[in-house]
Amino acid sequence: GAGVSQSPSNKVTEKGKDVELRCDPISGHTALYWYRQSLGQGLEFLIYFQGNSAPDKSGLPSDRFSAERTGGSVSTLTIQRTQQEDSAVYLCASSLVLAGGNEQFFGPGTRLTVL
Amino acid sequence: GENVEQHPSTLSVQEGDSAVIKCTYSDSASNYFPWYKQELGKRPQLIIDIRSNVGEKKDQRIAVTLNKTAKHFSLHITETQPEDSAVYFCAASIYGNNRLAFGKGNQVVVIP
Repeated sequence: GAGVSQSPSNKVTEKGKDVELRCDPISGHTALYWYRQSLGQGLEFLIYFQGNSAPDKSGLPSDRFSAERTGGSVSTLTIQRTQQEDSAVYLCASSLVLAGGNEQFFGPGTRLTVL
Repeated sequence: GENVEQHPSTLSVQEGDSAVIKCTYSDSASNYFPWYKQELGKRPQLIIDIRSNVGEKKDQRIAVTLNKTAKHFSLHITETQPEDSAVYFCAASIYGNNRLAFGKGNQVVVIP
């Protein structure tokens, strides 16, 4: 079946502009996660959606970052007034929600470059 | 919250030798420990996972061992091959939450 998809695959923007990154999770996966990965670095957690519960926003680095998940499926990560330090690969993942922990399936990522 | 650390940060091994990566975690309530492999330019993918009710799990050339008392778990790769060269991330579940806390990753380089 189809995996997690993300768009665009690459995004180049100018400092100060707003960007929107999209994630389509695997159908039926109620949990959705956003991570940021800078070059050669680890996976920095940003935000987590689970069903209809309030999202866990504890990883968002500033109030310029926000995310929505509409209808329990597609999610959009918005970065306002982009800065050069926002340049990174933004990865989305989805999973089932079962007791005891679950495999997260990652999308291919969106490479964001802020000039 | 849960804190996961990986050691060493970089590991070079000769092809055919074994590689071992160790992770430590802080929250004794964590009960799920996956390992992800990320090849250059690709997305992370699960290679093996273990739950807290077992001490070891094997899948062909890879295995994971868990020591709950010491709060550490390790990835073992035997008979390493060039295609094992990648960054490996360990993670631990966060109790009461579906999130995973990831380590910073280990770069494994298999030298032909």
